[in-house]
Amino acid sequence: GQSLEQPSEVTAVEGAIVQINCTYQTSGFYGLSWYQQHDGGAPTFLSYNALDGLEETGRFSSFLSRSDSYGYLLLQELQMKDSASYFCAVVSGSARQLTFGSGTQLTVLP
Amino acid sequence: DAGITQSPRHKVTETGTPVTLRCHQTENHRYMYWYRQDPGHGLRLIHYSYGVKDTDKGEVSDGYSVSRSKTEDFLLTLESATSSQTSVYFCAISDERVGGSYEQYFGPGTRLTVT
Repeated sequence: GQSLEQPSEVTAVEGAIVQINCTYQTSGFYGLSWYQQHDGGAPTFLSYNALDGLEETGRFSSFLSRSDSYGYLLLQELQMKDSASYFCAVVSGSARQLTFGSGTQLTVLP
Repeated sequence: DAGITQSPRHKVTETGTPVTLRCHQTENHRYMYWYRQDPGHGLRLIHYSYGVKDTDKGEVSDGYSVSRSKTEDFLLTLESATSSQTSVYFCAISDERVGGSYEQYFGPGTRLTVT
């Protein structure tokens, strides 16, 4: 089976940098994805790491270490609109299905 | 907009009744998925499909069945609804993208309440 662990809550101020960690135990691993979900909305894709290293997309970066079964999402220059839940998810299986962590609620304070 | 819709968006039903939720896509994506989301559990995979009439069970499939007779439609049926199936249900679609990423696009969700 699969299991993922991530912090339940993180709080930071506008303009700051925050890192959300994710550790996983899995079989049939293809990669690690990150999704953002605002209250009442649908999850939206942020990033995907299949190989070790850092992937950067604007203010967001994601890192993966396959040997450590560990990844993180780095959010820079935080804005109020970044307040949301962030989910790490293992990509596995014949249909590249997702197994999600329980999510990290990020609150950005002014 | 990934061209994915869900219907109904909200439904209240009674225990023991069958319920069918519909997911419709206009993107011709190969893979389709049904998830449920409950507080404290994130999203959990119910069933998924990797083509017409090709479906398989996910993590929490008990009490649910699916059908995919056309590429664009993926139906989720609760055979006999129970209060434990009160949840928000999300459909998602996916296909292989350049670079090997299997980004999933999610529908707006269906809020189901079983009384």
